[in-house]
Amino acid sequence: GQQLNQSPQSMFIQEGEDVSMNCTSSSIFNTWLWYKQDPGEGPVLLIALYKAGELTSNGRLTAQFGITRKDSFLNISASIPSDVGIYFCAGQKKNTGNQFYFGTGTSLTVIP
Amino acid sequence: EAGVVQSPRYKIIEKKQPVAFWCNPISGHNTLYWYLQNLGQGPELLIRYENEEAVDDSQLPKDRFSAERLKGVDSTLKIQPAELGDSAVYLCASSLYADTDTQYFGPGTRLTVL
Repeated sequence: GQQLNQSPQSMFIQEGEDVSMNCTSSSIFNTWLWYKQDPGEGPVLLIALYKAGELTSNGRLTAQFGITRKDSFLNISASIPSDVGIYFCAGQKKNTGNQFYFGTGTSLTVIP
Repeated sequence: EAGVVQSPRYKIIEKKQPVAFWCNPISGHNTLYWYLQNLGQGPELLIRYENEEAVDDSQLPKDRFSAERLKGVDSTLKIQPAELGDSAVYLCASSLYADTDTQYFGPGTRLTVL
């Protein structure tokens, strides 16, 4: 199936620092989503993006839908310990039955 | 409002044994998804239901995996017989309709095959 590449694979940052991660694909998507997954839990939707170039915020999180429609970016400002987890991007194509394709994940560790 | 419920949360079985996972989606959600998540990877779709109809099962290994959603509400995913490589987390998700972006995930069932 489709593979979305996320980078970096893992991050170790100090509390208070800003975080940036991205997701790229060889295919065009109509919707980009960002999820956070805590250990032992299912992914939880953070932000959804619907238009190329769109910039959307959710608290300290900001995500952008790349203008090529093949990538997306997630930024977290002023990180706190509860930001720890794995962040997944997901892309959706309308012409494949609305199937979602998930990225490989970015593991974030925040050092207090 | 209750979220997506899955059981069991953990299952340990020996290879060649059968295993079944159960999912109860959020009330009123027509679309139900089963995903496989291997360690260190993102979820991969196994099957999607719209009401009781399986509309996308192209990624389901049909020689050993089966699923059902008889009344269009809760669903069961079965593996028979299980193999060592089936060890993973099996996630269930639901959404109001198929064309909505918002999927709500359950906590998953972690399967270990010995």
